[in-house]
Amino acid sequence: DAGVIQSPRHEVTEMGQEVTLRCKPISGHDYLFWYRQTMMRGLELLIYFNNNVPIDDSGMPEDRFSAKMPNASFSNLKIQPSEPRDSAVYFCASSLERGRGYTFGSGTRLTVV
Amino acid sequence: EDQVTQSPEALRLQEGESSSLNCSYTVSGLRGLFWYRQDPGKGPEFLFTLYSAGEEKEKERLKATLTKKESFLHITAPKPEDSATYLCAVTPSSNTGKLIFGQGTTLQVKP
Repeated sequence: DAGVIQSPRHEVTEMGQEVTLRCKPISGHDYLFWYRQTMMRGLELLIYFNNNVPIDDSGMPEDRFSAKMPNASFSNLKIQPSEPRDSAVYFCASSLERGRGYTFGSGTRLTVV
Repeated sequence: EDQVTQSPEALRLQEGESSSLNCSYTVSGLRGLFWYRQDPGKGPEFLFTLYSAGEEKEKERLKATLTKKESFLHITAPKPEDSATYLCAVTPSSNTGKLIFGQGTTLQVKP
């Protein structure tokens, strides 16, 4: 298996633009997670899905952030409009079972200028 | 509030010099404690899961242990390739879908 695949690896955008981050989980994994990593706050859970249904989105910073999982093999995270404070590395992870170890993707480094 | 604290923030070792990393946690019922390794520019890589006090897991030069309040990651005779950031995370019983991470310990092993 190719693991969790994220795209793009790097994204540079101007403040106010819409940004879309993409994730393909490991086939057969029922859980999908979006995390954000910054130097100040470390790794923070934004939202997670089970069987394509959002279960906990309490970590989503504000209404500018949205995430969807239209099918078992794809999820996206959108930021509209983007702001410089959104600059971070965004990770997607998937898991076969709740409470077990997750497999993380390589991340998308987002820079908003 | 569920919380994970790791110490030290950074650790420099000479090759072969054994040491331990600490992870203290406060959680409303522990479902599991996880250790991950993260290399620069990459996502965290799963190392171990511990579920109950007294449990131990080993992998090559790494050994993880768990008590009711903390976990240790012991590194025996480290090599330069063990240099990385080591992350500890917990899953609370109240929300078993959630991993709460500590800030990590950045380990540098010099030859």
